Amino acid sequence: DAGVIQSPRHEVTEMGQEVTLRCKPISGHDYLFWYRQTMMRGLELLIYFNNNVPIDDSGMPEDRFSAKMPNASFSTLKIQPSEPRDSAVYFCASSMAVDTQYFGPGTRLTVL
Amino acid sequence: SQQGEEDPQALSIQEGENATMNCSYKTSINNLQWYRQNSGRGLVHLILIRSNEREKHSGRLRVTLDTSKKSSSLLITASRAADTASYFCATVGDDMRFGAGTRLTVKP
Repeated sequence: DAGVIQSPRHEVTEMGQEVTLRCKPISGHDYLFWYRQTMMRGLELLIYFNNNVPIDDSGMPEDRFSAKMPNASFSTLKIQPSEPRDSAVYFCASSMAVDTQYFGPGTRLTVL
Repeated sequence: SQQGEEDPQALSIQEGENATMNCSYKTSINNLQWYRQNSGRGLVHLILIRSNEREKHSGRLRVTLDTSKKSSSLLITASRAADTASYFCATVGDDMRFGAGTRLTVKP
């Protein structure tokens, strides 16, 4: 298996632009997680899905952030409009249960 | 939000020495896991210890769990420069939460 795949690996955009991050989980994994990591705040859980259904989105910072999982093999995290404080590394992870998670390589987002 | 708190925040040792990192948590758990993150990469699962286990080994890794003190430790023996990374504990109960991590530097 190729592992969790994220795209793009790097994204540089200007404030106010829409940003879409993509994730393909490991086949057969029922859970998908989106995290954000910064030096100041560490690793933060934004939202997670079980069988494509959002279970806990309490970590989503504000309405500018939205996440979807239209099918078992694809998820997106969208920021609209983006702000400089959204600059971070965004990780997607998948698992067979709320247990051992397999992380993707991350998307490094820079909002100018 | 984070549950586990790692201690120390940063640790610097010489190659060949042992490295010990600690994790404390607040609520009851089903299991506790340790992850490693190399700079610029995603987290990689290292080892899982269940709430009814007290100690577990995997290669140069030794993990202990004390549920009465709500704490765990990760010991890396005979450290190598390649062990330089950040190490996170994650608690699994009703949900899964990661700690803030310990930054380990192993000097050659």
